[in-house]
Amino acid sequence: DSGVTQTPKHLITATGQRVTLRCSPRSGDLSVYWYQQSLDQGLQFLIQYYNGEERAKGNILERFSAQQFPDLHSELNLSSLELGDSALYFCASSPAPGQGPDTQYFGPGTRLTVL
Amino acid sequence: AQKVTQAQTEISVVEKEDVTLDCVYETRDTTYYLFWYKQPPSGELVFLIRRNSFDEQNEISGRYSWNFQKSTSSFNFTITASQVVDSAVYFCALIITSGTYKYIFGTGTRLKVLA
Repeated sequence: DSGVTQTPKHLITATGQRVTLRCSPRSGDLSVYWYQQSLDQGLQFLIQYYNGEERAKGNILERFSAQQFPDLHSELNLSSLELGDSALYFCASSPAPGQGPDTQYFGPGTRLTVL
Repeated sequence: AQKVTQAQTEISVVEKEDVTLDCVYETRDTTYYLFWYKQPPSGELVFLIRRNSFDEQNEISGRYSWNFQKSTSSFNFTITASQVVDSAVYFCALIITSGTYKYIFGTGTRLKVLA
């Protein structure tokens, strides 16, 4: 158990809908990362937050947004969902950033199915 | 262009054999990081190692070792005396840190260790 929690574990929804995925980092970790893994696109980095501020941005679509709250948990919001958004969404956390990207601890993932 | 190539799609070995997973990357940036991740059949992601472009020292962690060679743009991963629990998909990633971070993932190598 990495200490990173993600809810829900599974989510089934319809095209056009909006969902929110939640991540709680390990105790003491200040950075949160979001990744997407789909059959079509493989593994992709979406975004990183450090202590509430966006620190790095990857291949995140405009329909997606994320934030990190004062208690350091993070939410990934996916809107106007399309079939292609069906994927595993992973959250990871790391301690305060040093030089460069850090060692990351992953949550179990949320499997999103868009019908 | 930045790219990560994991040419070995799938490797099968018998338990106790040594196995090397290849990772070749392309970038013109001088500052970058290289990561390896493991994804066992259960689906979670596990971060294995982080290496920056200025540190060519090889690393050993138990049965795992990594060989970073800038001259050949490779960051290969060797498992010594493989075990069935090593069966997983292994991903290599290149992280460019000039400006906003950019993560480029390989397509993964599926390792099957047979008893």
